[in-house]
Amino acid sequence: NAGVTQTPKFQVLKTGQSMTLQCAQDMNHEYMSWYRQDPGMGLRLIHYSVGAGITDQGEVPNGYNVSRSTTEDFPLRLLSAAPSQTSVYFCASSSDGLNEQFFGPGTRLTVL
Amino acid sequence: GNSVTQMEGPVTLSEEAFLTINCTYTATGYPSLFWYVQYPGEGLQLLLKATKADDKGSNKGFEATYRKETTSFHLEKGSVQVSDSAVYFCALKGNTGGFKTIFGAGTRLFVKA
Repeated sequence: NAGVTQTPKFQVLKTGQSMTLQCAQDMNHEYMSWYRQDPGMGLRLIHYSVGAGITDQGEVPNGYNVSRSTTEDFPLRLLSAAPSQTSVYFCASSSDGLNEQFFGPGTRLTVL
Repeated sequence: GNSVTQMEGPVTLSEEAFLTINCTYTATGYPSLFWYVQYPGEGLQLLLKATKADDKGSNKGFEATYRKETTSFHLEKGSVQVSDSAVYFCALKGNTGGFKTIFGAGTRLFVKA
């Protein structure tokens, strides 16, 4: 099993550009989440999904969109990048609502 | 709502020293509690977990006991190694709030040889 994979590992954008961060898992997990990690702030939940076709907002959803058309994939879209979105982004999945999450290696995004 | 508070870092120890990282939580019901570890340049990975009161989670010499009476889940290790240098996150997952994971802010540990 590859586990949770994320692409790209690094990305530099200019303000106003859009892009999609990819996330895929091969563990048949129903639950998937996107977090951003900023210095001194731990992890903050952006969006999450409890199954294909079902998504919901987390703590900091503004400026981001998600969709979940398959169990395996959960892409995160930045609509119009802003410098405040410079961060490290992690995707995670879990088998159910109470067990641990499995994290991808992260995408380091810089917005100029 | 649910929340997790853990001690601020960084924590700097010499090799073979005893480690404690404090974690307390606020939650309704009976959450599951976790410690995750993040090594430099990597994603988080589960270190240990406990799903009910008085359970002890353990892994790689680390231990934490789920104390409902003090709402705590402190992480301990008897003898740290340089390779334990990382950021440690306490987290909870409850049966309310859509089963979302709530993370503490993280505690950075440096272990000197």
